[in-house]
This record gives sequence, structure tokens and C-alpha cells, in this order.
Amino acid sequence: GQSLEQPSEVTAVEGAIVQINCTYQTSGFYGLSWYQQHDGGAPTFLSYNALDGLEETGRFSSFLSRSDSYGYLLLQELQMKDSASYFCAVRDRDDKIIFGKGTRLHILP
Amino acid sequence: DTGVSQDPRHKITKRGQNVTFRCDPISEHNRLYWYRQTLGQGPEFLTYFQNEAQLEKSRLLSDRFSAERPKGSFSTLEIQRTEQGDSAMYLCASSRGRAFFGQGTRLTVV
Repeated sequence: GQSLEQPSEVTAVEGAIVQINCTYQTSGFYGLSWYQQHDGGAPTFLSYNALDGLEETGRFSSFLSRSDSYGYLLLQELQMKDSASYFCAVRDRDDKIIFGKGTRLHILP
Repeated sequence: DTGVSQDPRHKITKRGQNVTFRCDPISEHNRLYWYRQTLGQGPEFLTYFQNEAQLEKSRLLSDRFSAERPKGSFSTLEIQRTEQGDSAMYLCASSRGRAFFGQGTRLTVV
């Protein structure tokens, strides 16, 4: 089966940098995605890593280490609007997408 | 709007009634996923389709749940004999690479 672990909550200060970690176990791995979800909204796609290394998209970066079954999302220059839940999701070899339970990011002014 | 659309956005039903939700994916997307999400939790996988073929149904899903995608375009999710525990947000996503989500259908069973 598949399982993903990520911290339930993280708190950071506006303007700072925060890292949200994700470890996974899967029977077949194709890639790791990250999604953002604001209260009452739908999950929105942030990034995707299929290969080891860092992917950068503006203030957000995502990292993957396939050998360690580990990835992280890095958010820089935090803004109050970044307060949301962040989910890592594994795409397996059958193209099924399984989500973690999410990390609630609290940003302090 | 060419995104994923779901209908209805909200549904209140009495326990024991049947409900059906509809999802219209992005037109060129061949994969369609259904998830259930409760407060404070991540989207829980229910089932998914490759065109009209249902590839997998979660073992956590009871026989009261059924999904179809008859022509490989829109999909429906039906819940029979609803229970209070079925109250949740039901999310649909479509994919041809990255997955895009609809706004969800919030079901309340009273």
C-alpha cells in the first residue's frame, strides 16, 4: 500500500523561509506533487518532481530524493496569503494519486 | 471557464436517501479521480478512471458508492442509502499530467 507522512502543523513568521517535509512509502513510485489548499477552497497544484533534485517556481521550490523516499516544499519570503494547508501527493506507477494528511501552515505577522 | 466543474456545489440530504454528483473534467484529460475530504484531513482516494474504464476502487469504499464515466467525458458518483458518516467534501480531479481539481460538492447528511 501507500502512505505519506508530513507534519500536521508548521508556524513561521512573515518574510521568513519554511520547509515542509514529506516521507512516503509506495509500491511503485512515479512522482511527488505538492498542492495548496485554502480554507473552503479546492487543492491547487504547486509543483511536481519525478527526478531527484530541486524544482524552483518563483517563491516555491520542491525537492525530491527517491533513494530516501523523501521530499520537501520550501516556501520563501512568506506572505500572509501563504497561510493554508499543504499536501504532498504520490503518483504511483498506475497513475493513481494518493495524498498525505496535510500540513497546516500558520504565518505570524 | 474550461476548468473542472462539479455539480451541485452543496447538497443536504436526509439519511437513507440516494445522492448523485456530477463532474465535468477538462476536455482533453483522460484521467479522472474522485476523492473525499473531511475537515482537517487530506483528500482520500475513492476511485479513478482512464477514459471510460474504472481502474481501481478504494477498498475503504462500501458497496453503497458507485461511480461511472460512461463516455469517457463527465463522471457521476452515486451514494445510496446515505449515512451521517458520508458527510464530507467530494472532490473530482482530472489529469493529463498534473491534476486539476474542481471546487467540490459538500454533502451534509442529516
